[in-house]
Amino acid sequence: TQLLEQSPQFLSIQEGENLTVYCNSSSVFSSLQWYRQEPGEGPVLLVTVVTGGEVKKLKRLTFQFGDARKDSSLHITAAQPGDTGLYLCAGGRSSNTGKLIFGQGTTLQVKP
Amino acid sequence: DARVTQTPRHKVTEMGQEVTMRCQPILGHNTVFWYRQTMMQGLELLAYFRNRAPLDDSGMPKDRFSAEMPDATLATLKIQPSEPRDSAVYFCASGLVLRTLRYNEQFFGPGTRLTVL
Repeated sequence: TQLLEQSPQFLSIQEGENLTVYCNSSSVFSSLQWYRQEPGEGPVLLVTVVTGGEVKKLKRLTFQFGDARKDSSLHITAAQPGDTGLYLCAGGRSSNTGKLIFGQGTTLQVKP
Repeated sequence: DARVTQTPRHKVTEMGQEVTMRCQPILGHNTVFWYRQTMMQGLELLAYFRNRAPLDDSGMPKDRFSAEMPDATLATLKIQPSEPRDSAVYFCASGLVLRTLRYNEQFFGPGTRLTVL
């Protein structure tokens, strides 16, 4: 079974702190996506990384794809209450059937 | 602003009743996905369609769940009979999936929160 394991599962921090969320697998993925889901809404795509070692930045969020394309990380600098939500990583296969393997998610709470 | 729409947003029903959830994918997308999300299991893929044809429904309990795409603008997920363990949030997502593309993006609807009493 192809699994994506996210850690930590829950994270509660104060506004202004930095944090990193990890997404790990024993399988190679051709692409890795990060989604954020707010309460009562569906997941929203934040970024897609496709090249081993790739780093993408989205304002205070930095995404990295591992060199072997088996893992990824999301780093948030100076977290804000608006960053609160469920962060999901999802891996795509090279056959690109469209199907994604989702991790269990990391619930982030940023307190003012 | 193109979005995936889902109806109803909330549904409370009694065990044994039929439940139908509807989804309108984004115009031009050729693939539609149905997911179920619970605290315990996270986001699970139930079924997905390409150009209205079912590609994979192995994640769906066959005896009570059925998914269809009557036309390109409508996907349905039915549960009959419903059971309390079906209580969850059901998401529909759509995307444009082409083998010439290295990856695809999925756009999610707001979900249907189902409670079966």
